[in-house]
This record gives sequence, C-alpha cells and structure tokens, in this order.
Amino acid sequence: SQELEQSPQSLIVQEGKNLTINCTSSKTLYGLYWYKQKYGEGLIFLMMLQKGGEEKSHEKITAKLDEKKQQSSLHITASQPSHAGIYLCGADSTGANSKLTFGKGITLSVRP
Amino acid sequence: GAVVSQHPSWVICKSGTSVKIECRSLDFQATTMFWYRQFPKQSLMLMATSNEGSKATYEQGVEKDKFLINHASLTLSTLTVTSAHPEDSSFYICSARAATAYNEQFFGPGTRLTVL
Repeated sequence: SQELEQSPQSLIVQEGKNLTINCTSSKTLYGLYWYKQKYGEGLIFLMMLQKGGEEKSHEKITAKLDEKKQQSSLHITASQPSHAGIYLCGADSTGANSKLTFGKGITLSVRP
Repeated sequence: GAVVSQHPSWVICKSGTSVKIECRSLDFQATTMFWYRQFPKQSLMLMATSNEGSKATYEQGVEKDKFLINHASLTLSTLTVTSAHPEDSSFYICSARAATAYNEQFFGPGTRLTVL
C-alpha cells in the first residue's frame, strides 16, 4: 500500500518568513492533493498536481511535483497568521480516480 | 465552489445507542462519497467508499455492521454508528468527489462524536 511521509512534523515560523514543507511517497503518484485543515474542522482543498515537474500557485502558496512523481513540496511566501493550520497531502496511487491516502499532516504555526 | 455539509457538527450520545451522520453535496452531484475517521493529531483514515445506488466498500478492519453507510442519492450519504461505545468517539469527516477534470474531493466540516 502507498505511504506518504510528510516533513517536518511541525513548524513554527515568524510572520513574513518563507517556508517549505514536503510530502514523499513510497510509490509513483498519479495525483497529489494538498489540503489545509484547522483543528476540529474539515479540509480545504488547496491544489492538485498530476504531471511530473508540474508547479501550481495560488496567492502566496506554490506546490510542485517532482519529475519522478514521488515527492511534492509546498512553499509559502511571506507567511501570515492566516496560513497557520495543518497541511495534509493526499495521494491517488492508482490513477483510477480511486480513494486517497493521506499523510499525517504538518502543523504550521505562524508567530505574529 | 463545491460545498459539502455534514450534520450534525457534534453529537454526544450514551453507550449502546446509534448515531446517524449525514453528508450532503450542496451544489454538485457526487457519485462517490468517502467516509474518514480522524483521531486527535492523526491523519485521516479512510473507513469506506460509498457509491450511489450500491453497497459501500469498506476498508480492511472497519466493521460494516457497526458503521452502516447508505448512499441514497447523488447528493446524500449517511453513516450510522450502531451500538456506539466510547472507543467510537472520534472526528468523522466525509468527502464527495466532483466530476471535474481533476476529480478532486471536497470535504465536509466534520462531525465530532462523543460516546459517554
């Protein structure tokens, strides 16, 4: 079965700083999804990557999928307190629009 | 955008009772819905995949007789926790897959179940 490892487990940054978090898969990724979650709430869809080398941006968040399609990074520029939360990556490992497997998540805190 | 609702948002029940949780896609049709369970500071664990008009597919280790799933329409799936026990206390989240180019899943806000 596919396993997703996210790193670091948690991160505290000063407001205004840039940061990068990672998601590494044990298998080739057919689809990699990034979500954000506030504790005790649902998941907010951020971005989805499919192609090797693909990069997408939304506001100050950029996500990349490496050429081998086994690792993705999410970069936040000039972090703000509103970026704080849990970032989860989810993967579709079969390409058949099947169920997603999730990593354990990365807890991001942003100090004002 | 695609919105998924869950009801109730939280519920407290006595041990031995059954609890029903509803998951609705408000502005799109979802042929497939998923039910997840999340423990504090843990990731989401998929419990079952629910397809409209057919039986749900349960993940290994999930008791189908305990967690009854019904997907009666393209916008509604229900999860019933039967004879709930304190160990069933958890955060339950549903998601619905939209028929878009990316087939992304949109998640509900979750239901906090506490069994006394």
